[in-house]
Amino acid sequence: KAGVTQTPRYLIKTRGQQVTLSCSPISGHRSVSWYQQTPGQGLQFLFEYFSETQRNKGNFPGRFSGRQFSNSRSEMNVSTLELGDSALYLCASSLVGQGLEAFFGQGTRLTVV
Amino acid sequence: GESVGLHLPTLSVQEGDNSIINCAYSNSASDYFIWYKQESGKGPQFIIDIRSNMDKRQGQRVTVLLNKTVKHLSLQIAATQPGDSAVYFCAENTGTDKLIFGTGTRLQVFP
Repeated sequence: KAGVTQTPRYLIKTRGQQVTLSCSPISGHRSVSWYQQTPGQGLQFLFEYFSETQRNKGNFPGRFSGRQFSNSRSEMNVSTLELGDSALYLCASSLVGQGLEAFFGQGTRLTVV
Repeated sequence: GESVGLHLPTLSVQEGDNSIINCAYSNSASDYFIWYKQESGKGPQFIIDIRSNMDKRQGQRVTVLLNKTVKHLSLQIAATQPGDSAVYFCAENTGTDKLIFGTGTRLQVFP
């Protein structure tokens, strides 16, 4: 069955702009988590959605937001982009959430210039 | 994929040898652990997981050992192959909805 699909794979934005990233989880999975990966900070948890509800949120500013649709697809949005937001954004899909058997997509590489 | 900075620990092994990658976790309440492999240009790939009620679990060519007394996790790869070259991450979960990742170890396999 298809894996986790993230679109787009690459993005270049300028400071101050906003961006929306998309994640389609594995079919049947109801949990979607988002992570930011940077060389300096490693993999850091952004938020997790389960059945359209945000269940947990990491320590990121309010510029980072997300949502989940009834088909479990999820989007995350970053507003007022800063240079430090340049990172690989990863989405993980899980059947029941709680980090159990979480499978990752290929990520979206965001570059802010 | 994303390498984790210039200070990423590196393990170099010869093809065919066994590899052992170690991970220390911080939270004694963590009850679930996963090992991921990340190759260049790709997202983390699930390798194997283990719950805290176990101390060993085996997969295909991989074994995970959990020592809760010293909060230590290891991944053993048997007969390491060039295709095993990647960055390996351990991740822990304390029963919340997020995984906490380690900094990663780069495995280099040379012929």
